[in-house]
Amino acid sequence: SAVISQKPSRDICQRGTSLTIQCQVDSQVTMMFWYRQQPGQSLTLIATANQGSEATYESGFVIDKFPISRPNLTFSTLTVSNMSPEDSSIYLCSVERSGYTFGSGTRLTVV
Amino acid sequence: GNSVTQMEGPVTLSEEAFLTINCTYTATGYPSLFWYVQYPGEGLQLLLKATKADDKGSNKGFEATYRKETTSFHLEKGSVQVSDSAVYFCALGEAGGSYIPTFGRGTSLIVHP
Repeated sequence: SAVISQKPSRDICQRGTSLTIQCQVDSQVTMMFWYRQQPGQSLTLIATANQGSEATYESGFVIDKFPISRPNLTFSTLTVSNMSPEDSSIYLCSVERSGYTFGSGTRLTVV
Repeated sequence: GNSVTQMEGPVTLSEEAFLTINCTYTATGYPSLFWYVQYPGEGLQLLLKATKADDKGSNKGFEATYRKETTSFHLEKGSVQVSDSAVYFCALGEAGGSYIPTFGRGTSLIVHP
């Protein structure tokens, strides 16, 4: 399975600002997934990122709020823009490699 | 669209009890099925998977069988331990990217000594 390095592990941000989360994979993968996990809740898929094309967003998520970059087959970023307290959550990246492997998550608190 | 339904928790058991966590799914075709575990304060880890009908996935004493006829993938363990206390997520996906990964709501398991 793949190994994913996700940064930052946690952050406390002021409302109205933006945070960029990075995921680095130790091998080339076609698809990367970005999720949000509210405390005690399941995972909600934000978008699927393929290298060389625009990310595909799930219902309720838009590119202006969650822009994603996928510059190569081992790296992706998710930006949470113009944050509000409702964006406080854990954000996870994931890749498909004999099952889905997850990064360790970014715990975001917006104050 | 595809969906995964898990039994509501928490499931509370005594050590050495038998565990079943029910999972059913809705999908066209033949997705792969997974169980993930999330221990307190940790990330999600793949527990087991099955890629086709009648496959049995197993790991750490847990097992689940891909039942196409009942669209189910129930998780079982014969004798739980306190260290099994965690949240368990059933999921479907893979098959070369043909499926968007879909997760159930998670079932919390609490095992008492």
